[in-house]
Amino acid sequence: GQSLEQPSEVTAVEGAIVQINCTYQTSGFYGLSWYQQHDGGAPTFLSYNALDGLEETGRFSSFLSRSDSYGYLLLQELQMKDSASYFCAVATRVTFSGGYNKLIFGAGTRLAVHP
Amino acid sequence: NAGVMQNPRHLVRRRGQEARLRCSPMKGHSHVYWYRQLPEEGLKFMVYLQKENIIDESGMPKERFSAEFPKEGPSILRIQQVVRGDSAAYFCASSTGDRALGYTFGSGTRLTVV
Repeated sequence: GQSLEQPSEVTAVEGAIVQINCTYQTSGFYGLSWYQQHDGGAPTFLSYNALDGLEETGRFSSFLSRSDSYGYLLLQELQMKDSASYFCAVATRVTFSGGYNKLIFGAGTRLAVHP
Repeated sequence: NAGVMQNPRHLVRRRGQEARLRCSPMKGHSHVYWYRQLPEEGLKFMVYLQKENIIDESGMPKERFSAEFPKEGPSILRIQQVVRGDSAAYFCASSTGDRALGYTFGSGTRLTVV
């Protein structure tokens, strides 16, 4: 089967750095992506890692280790507006019907940023 | 670029009624995915469609749920004879191809069954 694990809640203060970990078990692994969702809002794509290593996009970075089935999202210089839920999602390659990448989501990590 | 458009944003149905949720993908996107999200939970895959074809419906309940993506017009997720347990947020996403590295999601339809 497929499963993803991430912490349910993380709390931090403005200006701090926070790391949200994600471990996964899946077949047909294609990559790991991260999404942000504010309460009542749509999931918004943040980053994607297909290869091992660190990808940096402004204040957000994402890391992947395929051998450890592990990744993390790093948020720096936290701001109040970063309070949201963060989801890791595994892209798995489904091979029937010509094949496609299917996203399987974790349960999400609720980040609360305090002044 | 209008993004992925879903309507209605909120839908209230009485038990036993039908719910129709519409999704127009981003311009140039021909691949549509539907996900369901219960409160405080992650997104659960329901179905993947290309124009006029259902590619993967492994996440769809066998009864009462159906989806389509006609040649013209939006993709429709249809729930017949709704029950309280169908209350959830339903999100549609689209991509340009089958090797998408990330999806673009719509704002969702919040279905409440009373």
